[in-house]
Amino acid sequence: KAGVTQTPRYLIKTRGQQVTLSCSPISGHRSVSWYQQTPGQGLQFLFEYFSETQRNKGNFPGRFSGRQFSNSRSEMNVSTLELGDSALYLCASSSKQGRDNEQFFGPGTRLTVL
Amino acid sequence: EDQVTQSPEALRLQEGESSSLNCSYTVSGLRGLFWYRQDPGKGPEFLFTLYSAGEEKEKERLKATLTKKESFLHITAPKPEDSATYLCAVQAGYQKVTFGTGTKLQVIP
Repeated sequence: KAGVTQTPRYLIKTRGQQVTLSCSPISGHRSVSWYQQTPGQGLQFLFEYFSETQRNKGNFPGRFSGRQFSNSRSEMNVSTLELGDSALYLCASSSKQGRDNEQFFGPGTRLTVL
Repeated sequence: EDQVTQSPEALRLQEGESSSLNCSYTVSGLRGLFWYRQDPGKGPEFLFTLYSAGEEKEKERLKATLTKKESFLHITAPKPEDSATYLCAVQAGYQKVTFGTGTKLQVIP
């Protein structure tokens, strides 16, 4: 079974620009979560989508948004980029069936904001 | 709010020197406690899920245990390839998963 894929793997943007990151979950998984990882803060939860609906949301400003498509693929958008948005953005998928709640992570997208 | 605290922040072991990593948590209605391993520049790799106090799971040199307030990841006779950051996370009900900041393990040959 193919794992979680994320594109692009690396991005360099400048302040004020916007960016869209993409995530394809493991086949059959309907839940996709997004995290921001920085050296100082660790893994911070952004949001979770399940069957195209946002189920949970973290404490991030409205510049961070996401969506999920009918095939479970998900995108995350960050508008008006700030220097502090430089981070590794991780996507994780989960089947959320019965007790199976563990998340499987993609390799991440490394975003650098200059 | 759910909280996860991992200790120590960093641990340096000689090859073969067994030790334990700690994960203390505060959560209302634990649905699951997760352990992950993360190598530099990569996404976390799932290791274990523990659901209730008293539960234990093993995989190769790793053994995870759970009490009502904490979890331990025991590493027996570690090898250099076990070097990584180990992350603990908890989930309450259908809420978000909350991660600790991790323990960076270095195993020296």
